[in-house]
Amino acid sequence: RKEVEQDPGPFNVPEGATVAFNCTYSNSASQSFFWYRQDCRKEPKLLMSVYSSGNEDGRFTAQLNRASQYISLLIRDSKLSDSATYLCVVNTGSASKIIFGSGTRLSIRP
Amino acid sequence: DGGITQSPKYLFRKEGQNVTLSCEQNLNHDAMYWYRQDPGQGLRLIYYSQIVNDFQKGDIAEGYSVSREKKESFPLTVTSAQKNPTAFYLCASSIRGAGAANTGELFFGEGSRLTVL
Repeated sequence: RKEVEQDPGPFNVPEGATVAFNCTYSNSASQSFFWYRQDCRKEPKLLMSVYSSGNEDGRFTAQLNRASQYISLLIRDSKLSDSATYLCVVNTGSASKIIFGSGTRLSIRP
Repeated sequence: DGGITQSPKYLFRKEGQNVTLSCEQNLNHDAMYWYRQDPGQGLRLIYYSQIVNDFQKGDIAEGYSVSREKKESFPLTVTSAQKNPTAFYLCASSIRGAGAANTGELFFGEGSRLTVL
């Protein structure tokens, strides 16, 4: 079993739609969680951290469920510019080891 | 401005040659990482280092070597033993420490694209 698993996608949704991604992790001792965005042939960039209480940043909402060991990302009112690959990232807390999911590709169509 | 600089951005290598990718950061971060990304795939950890003069193997360390002689620098050598080295290589760093300061957020360089001819 992979340490971090994501919905593989690709997701192809119309502009204005709401889309959600999930990510599960295997190490119950994992300490911190993130969503990164990666554009084609570019480096990943932090989209948002994920907190136990859930957090929101504009159209983006992230949730963490420690009991079920998953995190989610919700994008409301999607824009064409949201088209990218979204990477789930987990800090396992083991010697600073940070694990990436394989990414979910999102394509927003006009 | 603080950040991470990788060089070269593009590199071509003949089979059987070693090549070294540079990674320098001026963020005063303790931890540094090397990842490999293949087309349509996520990032896989090659090596990481928590502190100067210390580094650990990641999931795919075979055929690679690193050094951490200075806090700012974490070069990666792709050796001739690496069977399929063509890939996008990403260097990253993060704050290391106890408590809230250690958010685990990674800061990436722009990457080095290696092609073996």
